[in-house]
Order: sequence, then structure tokens, then C-alpha cells
Amino acid sequence: DIQLTQSPSFLSASVGDRVTITCRASQGITSHFAWYQQKPGKAPKLLIYAASTLQSGVPSRFSGSGSGTEFTLTISSLQPEDFATYYCQYLNSFGPGTKVDIK
Amino acid sequence: QVQLVESGGGLVKPGGSLRVSCAASGFTFSDYYMSWIRQAPGKGLEWVSYISSSGSTIYYADSVKGRFTISRDNAKNSLYLQMNSLRAEDTAVYYCARDSGSFTFWWYFDLWGRGTLVTVSS
Repeated sequence: DIQLTQSPSFLSASVGDRVTITCRASQGITSHFAWYQQKPGKAPKLLIYAASTLQSGVPSRFSGSGSGTEFTLTISSLQPEDFATYYCQYLNSFGPGTKVDIK
Repeated sequence: QVQLVESGGGLVKPGGSLRVSCAASGFTFSDYYMSWIRQAPGKGLEWVSYISSSGSTIYYADSVKGRFTISRDNAKNSLYLQMNSLRAEDTAVYYCARDSGSFTFWWYFDLWGRGTLVTVSS
């Protein structure tokens, strides 16, 4: 199986900041790649699929990019409701998560 | 509305069995591949199993193969996970999740239930 690592594992940011989370795969993968947001006590929510396609209803401040072994999730201007944990996913593998907290 | 609702979680002793269920509503359940995904307390997400829309294709994570059985009843709009030989490391919230593609598996989970907690402890 593909192993996914995320960096950073934790980040502290302020409202309005631009935030980038990186996910690296243990070997080259296709762009069949997704990002999820999870808030405490809630189920994950699909944000991005096919590496860069925004899921319906997700604000446009979220964007995804990447190919090969490195993929990124960018939040262009962090909002209060964006403080959460973010997971990347490729097929049956999930990354360990990045917790975004309030500075 | 479109939703998934899990049930059947609880406390079970190591070596015991439990069946969790997922009731779907608001969409044509029989069109979609479905998965179970779990999350141990304070940990990340782990895909457990998937089943095709007809039930003819099934895959399991190595960690549960031979112990867990996924099934579905399209007439009842329900998904099931039979868990046998449970271990402490199976303790987790179990989510059912819908794959985003109709009649195919895209590995994108666009609809999740709230989850049901399974605790394996003596």
C-alpha cells in the first residue's frame, strides 16, 4: 500500500492567513487524490477530489494541487470555521492528519 | 434528506462479535458503492471495507480480513458490518460512507454518517 505523510502535523494560524498543507506519497501516484476536513466529534467532509476539483458546496478559498508524490491543500484566507483537522487520501490510504488551530 | 445513520455500536469483550448497521435515505442506495471507515479514539482515519452497488465485489483492509464481513440489503437501504474475533485495537468510531460515483468506485467519500462507537474491552 501507498504510505501518505502530511506536513505539518500541526499548525497555528490566524483568521485571514493563507495556509498550505502538504501530503507526500511513498511512491508516485495518480491524481486520484482527495482532501477531507474533520471537526471534533463530526464525520469527515470531502473538500477536494481528483487532486484539484472542489466538491460541490465547498468555499472557493479551498484549493488543491499537485501530482506524482506531492499534493497540497491551500486555504487562501483562513476563516473561523476552518479550524479543524485535514486529511489527505489516496485510494484506501489516509494521511495522518494536520490539525489547524487558532493562533 | 440525504443521510446515513449508523447504529449497533457498543461495548464488547475481546474475542466477541458485534454487527453494526447503516441506514441510508434520501438517495438511491442501490446505485452506490459503500464503505466502512473507522477512527480509533484520537487517531486518524482507516478504511476498513467496501462493497459494490450490487454486493458482488467486496474488499477488506488486511487488518480485518477474515474477521469482518461487509454486506448490504438494497431492499432495506442498509449496509452492515459483521465483526467477529474482536480485538482491543478494533476500538473505534465506525463510519459508513458513500462513494461519490454511481455504479463505480472512485474512492472519494462524499457522504458520511455520524458514526457508531465500538469499544472492545474486558
